[in-house]
Amino acid sequence: GENVEQHPSTLSVQEGDSAVIKCTYSDSASNYFPWYKQELGKRPQLIIDIRSNVGEKKDQRIAVTLNKTAKHFSLHITETQPEDSAVYFCAATWASGTYKYIFGTGTRLKVLA
Amino acid sequence: GAVVSQHPSWVICKSGTSVKIECRSLDFQATTMFWYRQFPKQSLMLMATSNEGSKATYEQGVEKDKFLINHASLTLSTLTVTSAHPEDSSFYICSATDRVISGYTFGSGTRLTVV
Repeated sequence: GENVEQHPSTLSVQEGDSAVIKCTYSDSASNYFPWYKQELGKRPQLIIDIRSNVGEKKDQRIAVTLNKTAKHFSLHITETQPEDSAVYFCAATWASGTYKYIFGTGTRLKVLA
Repeated sequence: GAVVSQHPSWVICKSGTSVKIECRSLDFQATTMFWYRQFPKQSLMLMATSNEGSKATYEQGVEKDKFLINHASLTLSTLTVTSAHPEDSSFYICSATDRVISGYTFGSGTRLTVV
């Protein structure tokens, strides 16, 4: 069945450094890959997304890259700040027409001041 | 932007009772709504997909008779946890899409504690 693997599960970086989170998906027909940030006890918030016809997308300090051949996509956060500390989830659509998302297992990012 | 309201935000109930959670799309028509369960420090696990006017499609391992989902209108879906037990204690969160906007819009979540 469909599956999304996410690594690492935890990540600590110094403030100002970059953070990279990687995801691998199993369904080659997946065509939409969002990234969500979730703070403790709150709803996930969409921070960036990418479609399968694009290889890279950037929004200020956040970027996402997609390698369709390898079925990998990654989140890049540059110049990290303490407020970036949260749990980040990747997701991939399961291209069945249901718009169902399969989420990765999450990465707990801690930015050390 | 798209807004999804979820109520209640938290609920404590006695074992054996039922609890209903509401998910409303406030400014768009939610053709499809999803219900997720999230245990502490874990990912969002999809429980079911509901399309307006249709029966919900449940994921493998989710008991449809225990988790009743109704999506009678384009703006409201409800999840009823029937005969709740302590192991049902979790964070339940809905999301909605009109299949046009990018990404899901999540509700604020409901923390259910069964005692």
